[in-house]
Amino acid sequence: DIQLTQSPSFLSASVGDRVTITCRASQGITTYLAWYQQKPGKAPDLLIFDAVTLQSWVPSRFSGSGSGTEFTLTIISLQPEDFATYYCQYFNSFPATFGQGTKLAIK
Amino acid sequence: EVRLVQSGGGLVQPGGSLRLSCAASGFTFTAYWMTWVRQAPGKGLEWVANTRQDESEKYYADSVKGRFTISRDNAKNLLYLQMNSLTAEDTAVYFCARGRGWVDFWGQGTQVTVSS
Repeated sequence: DIQLTQSPSFLSASVGDRVTITCRASQGITTYLAWYQQKPGKAPDLLIFDAVTLQSWVPSRFSGSGSGTEFTLTIISLQPEDFATYYCQYFNSFPATFGQGTKLAIK
Repeated sequence: EVRLVQSGGGLVQPGGSLRLSCAASGFTFTAYWMTWVRQAPGKGLEWVANTRQDESEKYYADSVKGRFTISRDNAKNLLYLQMNSLTAEDTAVYFCARGRGWVDFWGQGTQVTVSS
């Protein structure tokens, strides 16, 4: 099974900052990667699929990049509503897997 | 508006069974794979199972294989997760979601607690 490792697990930042979260796969997965945002007590929201494609509702300050084994989620100019936990997910074969999550907190 | 409304969670004793339901509306249910994902208290997301539109393909996480069964009733736009031989490790919030791999709409989640 494919393993995904996110780094960092915890990230502290300020409004207006630029942050990058990395997701590394245990083997090459081309671009079969998605990113989700989850706020406490809520279901996750899909942000990005196929590594780089933003969902229609997602602000352009979010971007995804990468292929193969290394992927990044970047948020430029953090807004208060961006403080949440982020998960990457591999999805082309099953069982699908999630990264362990990255909690983005306000500094 | 796409809606996934879940029901059926609760408290169950170890070794017991529970069936979760997910009622879909606002989209053509028969056009989509459907998925279950769970989240143990304070933990991350764990993919559980998914099913093709016609149930001809179903996949399970190793942790639930042989104990959980995903199914759907396309006439009623309902998705199910039958959970048997439950253990404390199955305690989690369970989410149904639309999609095969990446999932774009989620139910509200339902709590399953396995405890004596």
